[in-house]
Amino acid sequence: GDSVTQMEGPVTLSEEAFLTINCTYTATGYPSLFWYVQYPGEGLQLLLKATKADDKGSNKGFEATYRKETTSFHLEKGSVQVSDSAVYFCALSDKSGATNKLIFGTGTLLAVQP
Amino acid sequence: GAGVSQSPRYKVTKRGQDVALRCDPISGHVSLYWYRQALGQGPEFLTYFNYEAQQDKSGLPNDRFSAERPEGSISTLTIQRTEQRDSAMYRCASSVASGGTYEQYFGPGTRLTVT
Repeated sequence: GDSVTQMEGPVTLSEEAFLTINCTYTATGYPSLFWYVQYPGEGLQLLLKATKADDKGSNKGFEATYRKETTSFHLEKGSVQVSDSAVYFCALSDKSGATNKLIFGTGTLLAVQP
Repeated sequence: GAGVSQSPRYKVTKRGQDVALRCDPISGHVSLYWYRQALGQGPEFLTYFNYEAQQDKSGLPNDRFSAERPEGSISTLTIQRTEQRDSAMYRCASSVASGGTYEQYFGPGTRLTVT
């Protein structure tokens, strides 16, 4: 079945460092890809998405490019802030089905130190 | 506008008791999803409603779990005869439609603890 694999955390960075969180997927159809973020004490929020190959999603300085050839959707940010500390989830939604349920990775905890 | 709300936010129950978890989606959202998230894991799909019709219940772990959305708005997830392994965060999400490009908006979740 469809699945998402993302790098294990925690990832600890200093403020203004470059961030990469790796995400790869396995899917039989042509999924949409998402990054969700969970800040401490809050619910899941959509950070960015891409719906077809070579699309780049971006929001709040974060970017991810849908790479069909490597089945990847790595999250990047050029300069992280303390306020970016959160758990980041990569997810896919298979558009070929009627449900379009999300399949999530296990999450990556990011801790940014001042 | 108001987001997805869930109640209760926290529920502690004894093994063997039944619990009902409520989800109030964003007004006008056709699609409603339930997910379960164990500690340190990503959310896992439980069931999906399109309006009032439960179109996918493939993720419900066993027949102790059921869900309904009788008027196409508020949904209730019921767990009968709870077991300790049912302890988790239960998350509800809604979207304007069921297409894969539509964002799912998540509620704050209900933290269920079975003692």
